[in-house]
Amino acid sequence: GESVGLHLPTLSVQEGDNSIINCAYSNSASDYFIWYKQESGKGPQFIIDIRSNMDKRQGQRVTVLLNKTVKHLSLQIAATQPGDSAVYFCAENGSSNTGKLIFGQGTTLQVKP
Amino acid sequence: GAGVSQSPRYKVAKRGQDVALRCDPISGHVSLFWYQQALGQGPEFLTYFQNEAQLDKSGLPSDRFFAERPEGSVSTLKIQRTQQEDSAVYLCASSPRGDQPQHFGDGTRLSIL
Repeated sequence: GESVGLHLPTLSVQEGDNSIINCAYSNSASDYFIWYKQESGKGPQFIIDIRSNMDKRQGQRVTVLLNKTVKHLSLQIAATQPGDSAVYFCAENGSSNTGKLIFGQGTTLQVKP
Repeated sequence: GAGVSQSPRYKVAKRGQDVALRCDPISGHVSLFWYQQALGQGPEFLTYFQNEAQLDKSGLPSDRFFAERPEGSVSTLKIQRTQQEDSAVYLCASSPRGDQPQHFGDGTRLSIL
């Protein structure tokens, strides 16, 4: 399943399928990007980050892709599990050197068993 | 645990009252951030500390909002003369330094009646 982040805020996938969550960021000067997972009643949980000198980074079952040309970020989750159900946010550091993050709207991922 | 701790988890106040929200960051983390999260939205930056110095308060919505971190560890966000529009979840995050991943607490859910 695939979402376009800001334009399709809910993504529903079957357990075991791969998920792709997309995000369009706003500031071409941003050089640091993070994906967070947020479950109901909890704070955002760090998943993976990437700096602008890379275009791909892999973690455990997750991959982040960065396309600076079109200012696009995606999070790929392999073999999606029911525990992956949550809201996913991308965030960028803008042009700030303080590290403050600018968050996207978020995409709700629903995993059907 | 060793994560960011926030208290109280829930706070209900009457309009016009003052409230104080506490954040205990991860030990040794230099950078501390406060964010405000409205229902169904991503977190929005409020203010940033590097040790005890408040280096960025550009996100504070009005002069009713005040934050401090006097000894460079625990931080308090204070809201004076609360208004209904202040109802939100207030999240605290810390990181070893500004350009490293921020780790969030579970937030304080503030409801103004």
